Amino acid sequence: DAGVIQSPRHEVTEMGQEVTLRCKPISGHDYLFWYRQTMMRGLELLIYFNNNVPIDDSGMPEDRFSAKMPNASFSTLKIQPSEPRDSAVYFCASSLALGLPLHFGNGTRLTVT
Amino acid sequence: EDQVTQSPEALRLQEGESSSLNCSYTVSGLRGLFWYRQDPGKGPEFLFTLYSAGEEKEKERLKATLTKKESFLHITAPKPEDSATYLCAVQPVGQAGTALIFGKGTTLSVSS
Repeated sequence: DAGVIQSPRHEVTEMGQEVTLRCKPISGHDYLFWYRQTMMRGLELLIYFNNNVPIDDSGMPEDRFSAKMPNASFSTLKIQPSEPRDSAVYFCASSLALGLPLHFGNGTRLTVT
Repeated sequence: EDQVTQSPEALRLQEGESSSLNCSYTVSGLRGLFWYRQDPGKGPEFLFTLYSAGEEKEKERLKATLTKKESFLHITAPKPEDSATYLCAVQPVGQAGTALIFGKGTTLSVSS
C-alpha cells in the first residue's frame, strides 16, 4: 500500500489567496483526519470524517477553513482567504476505526507571506 | 478538559545512555494511549498502543509502559538512529466520536 498521500508537499502563497490541500487516504480506511502542527501548539485536530461524512469540525479555526470528502479516496482542506497565521504543517491521516492507530501522510508545509 | 503533557521537551543522550520519556494525561476515561515517532519532514509513525494500566509493549530498544495517570517510553542503549521526536496521544472514552489528542512531543537527540 502506498500509504496516505498528500499534495502538495510545500505551498507558498500570499495573504488573501486561496489554498487547497489534498489527501488520498489508505484504501479501506473509513476514517480521515486533518491535523495542523505548529511549534507552539503541537498537533491539533481540525476535522475528521467517517465514511465521507464530517463528524467533528470543532477544531476548524474559523469560517475561512473548509474541508470536503467527496468520495472515499479523496479529501480537500481549503483556506480562503489565507493569512500569515495559517502557516503550519498540515497532516492528513486515516484509520480503520476510532481507537485504532492513525496512519499519517508526510504533510503539506504551508507558508503564507 | 482532556489533556496530554509530555516531558522533557528535549533530551540529549550519548549513544548507549538509557533514559525515559514521560507522558502524563488527564482524561475522563482512557480508551487507548498511543506512541508515535516523527522524523524531520515526515508524518508521525505509529509505534505502540496501550489499553490498560500495567500493560507493556516492546520494540527493539523501546519499551512503553502505562499507569492510570501516565505512560513512559523507555529507551535502552539508544543509537543515533533513534533521534526523533516522540509523540504521545490519548483516545478518550465516554465521548462518542472523539479523535486522538496529542502531546507536544519530546525531541530526542542521540550522539555517538
